[in-house]
Amino acid sequence: SYELTQPPSVSVSPGQTASITCSGDKLGDKYACWYQQKPGQSPVLVIYQDTKRPSGIPERFSGSNSGNTATLTVSGTQAMDEADYYCQAWDSSTAHVVFGGGTRLTVL
Amino acid sequence: QVQLQESGPGLVKPSQTLSLTCTVSGASISSGGYYWSWIRQHPGKGLEWIGYIYYSGSTHYNPSLRSRVTISVDTSKNQFSLKLSSVTAADTAVYYCARSGVPGWGFDYWGQGTLVIVSS
Repeated sequence: SYELTQPPSVSVSPGQTASITCSGDKLGDKYACWYQQKPGQSPVLVIYQDTKRPSGIPERFSGSNSGNTATLTVSGTQAMDEADYYCQAWDSSTAHVVFGGGTRLTVL
Repeated sequence: QVQLQESGPGLVKPSQTLSLTCTVSGASISSGGYYWSWIRQHPGKGLEWIGYIYYSGSTHYNPSLRSRVTISVDTSKNQFSLKLSSVTAADTAVYYCARSGVPGWGFDYWGQGTLVIVSS
């Protein structure tokens, strides 16, 4: 089955740029999306189709996807960005949805 | 504004069947164009996709749960449902319902989630 791998944690200083990676076999051939989840809340879609931001998501969130790695970048990170982030892709060969294990972003 | 709301028992006994319903408002399941999913999250853990259904009744399930899962849709009530049979403590989780366009395009609306505890 298809798998997505994320680092368990990433730390960043306020105002700096955080990058969270998501790795999977030929992930660049699929669409990747990203979710932000804060404690006790439902996940929120922050990036879809690799690079697109839903309405209401700040411009400091951006995404890329190439080769075997998708990356979520948070520029000018703020304290409010501290959360768990999950990548997700769809394996078209099986029509199955796959989530990465999640990355905790800590703003120090 | 699209809203999804999970409902069902918060406590299920081992070996029984977990049953949840997701009521959709602000959008019509029968209009098509969207896939309706169940996703769960074990306490303190990551997200696990359970399966999705299209308004036509077409379904796809996570292979690890396929033998125990049934997702159905009732377009007259604008609801879709999850049944998970032969539950164990390992099925204790927060269960979410969510909507996506083409499944790879991301889940744009989520319910608030409902905690289901499996215990005698």
